[in-house]
Amino acid sequence: GQNIDQPTEMTATEGAIVQINCTYQTSGFNGLFWYQQHAGEAPTFLSYNVLDGLEEKGRFSSFLSRSKGYSYLLLKELQMKDSASYLCAVRESNYQLIWGAGTKLIIKP
Amino acid sequence: GAVVSQHPSWVICKSGTSVKIECRSLDFQATTMFWYRQFPKQSLMLMATSNEGSKATYEQGVEKDKFLINHASLTLSTLTVTSAHPEDSSFYICSAALGGFDSSPLHFGNGTRLTVT
Repeated sequence: GQNIDQPTEMTATEGAIVQINCTYQTSGFNGLFWYQQHAGEAPTFLSYNVLDGLEEKGRFSSFLSRSKGYSYLLLKELQMKDSASYLCAVRESNYQLIWGAGTKLIIKP
Repeated sequence: GAVVSQHPSWVICKSGTSVKIECRSLDFQATTMFWYRQFPKQSLMLMATSNEGSKATYEQGVEKDKFLINHASLTLSTLTVTSAHPEDSSFYICSAALGGFDSSPLHFGNGTRLTVT
């Protein structure tokens, strides 16, 4: 069946680095997305991986291993504004998007 | 800047009334738009896929007679919640892909928070 797992909540310190993991089991694979969602707001697109490896975009990086059904989002130099939920989503072979429940990231000073 | 505009941002209505939510793609044509619903502390739930020029495709468990979707043009899709009840109170979000949805990420509107009293 379809399943995406991510930790429910994580806590990190301002200025530090945090890695949010996502594992998935889906019907085929056509790409993995990471979105950021602040409380009460809609998600905003962060990154997209379709091939194995690391995609870097400023302070954020995303990694994918298709053989392991695994991805992570790496956030560096954490800022208070990074406090949000981070959603992992996988696009299946039929182009349907399957969403994880999201990881709530709490940044402490 | 925003590529998808959603209106209204929030609405409060009485039980039994209908509410219309608009979703517009800005500066691009979206033959396909997606409507999601999100309850507090839960993930996004796809309600339906809105197709310009044809009927929407609803997900299992979503009442198509209650959640009317009209994709009037290549830049506008509307969701009407008919005879709203308190259990319909939720955060409704539309989305579209700037390119084809099979190769592009989804961009979301700002969402509409519906409260039914």
